[in-house]
Amino acid sequence: NAGVMQNPRHLVRRRGQEARLRCSPMKGHSHVYWYRQLPEEGLKFMVYLQKENIIDESGMPKERFSAEFPKEGPSILRIQQVVRGDSAAYFCASSPLADTKNIQYFGAGTRLSVL
Amino acid sequence: AQTVTQSQPEMSVQEAETVTLSCTYDTSESDYYLFWYKQPPSRQMILVIRQEAYKQQNATENRFSVNFQKAAKSFSLKISDSQLGDAAMYFCAYRSGGDNNDMRFGAGTRLTVKP
Repeated sequence: NAGVMQNPRHLVRRRGQEARLRCSPMKGHSHVYWYRQLPEEGLKFMVYLQKENIIDESGMPKERFSAEFPKEGPSILRIQQVVRGDSAAYFCASSPLADTKNIQYFGAGTRLSVL
Repeated sequence: AQTVTQSQPEMSVQEAETVTLSCTYDTSESDYYLFWYKQPPSRQMILVIRQEAYKQQNATENRFSVNFQKAAKSFSLKISDSQLGDAAMYFCAYRSGGDNNDMRFGAGTRLTVKP
């Protein structure tokens, strides 16, 4: 059973470009969470999605950031018109529908560098 | 809002010795879960140990154990017989009970293991 898969591992963008980060949850998991980690800091919650639904986006910046988790395919975190302050590691986590253990399983993250 | 505080930015331990990492949290909830995650240089977030708030017994996982003091809202991690591979960032995390809530992370403690 493959773990949470994130790609790319590293993404370099110039200011003003778009960044698309992908996350495939563990098999059988229908809940996806995105977190952002700035250098020397802990992870900060961004958004929680189920298939085709955004459940909680209280941690998402109001502009330029969006997320989706379509019926088919991976979850996508999209950052439009990137700025240097968007440089960070972005982690995806997943959990099953019946989350009895309350554990989130993390991917290896995508490190976004904005030049 | 729930907050998690790790007051030790860096800790150091001699190989084979024991080290304790501190974590405190703030919450008004009675149903919640606490976690310690390890983040080695690979950046992968690895679950070390998990504690349910309703359980009085401290969780243990091989060389890792916690001291959970619910009244004091303290959740420290003890690593016994430290190994070189234990060197990493360690994050304490809080998650509300119920279904599929996001996690709140502390800022992390960087653990160095000296040979």
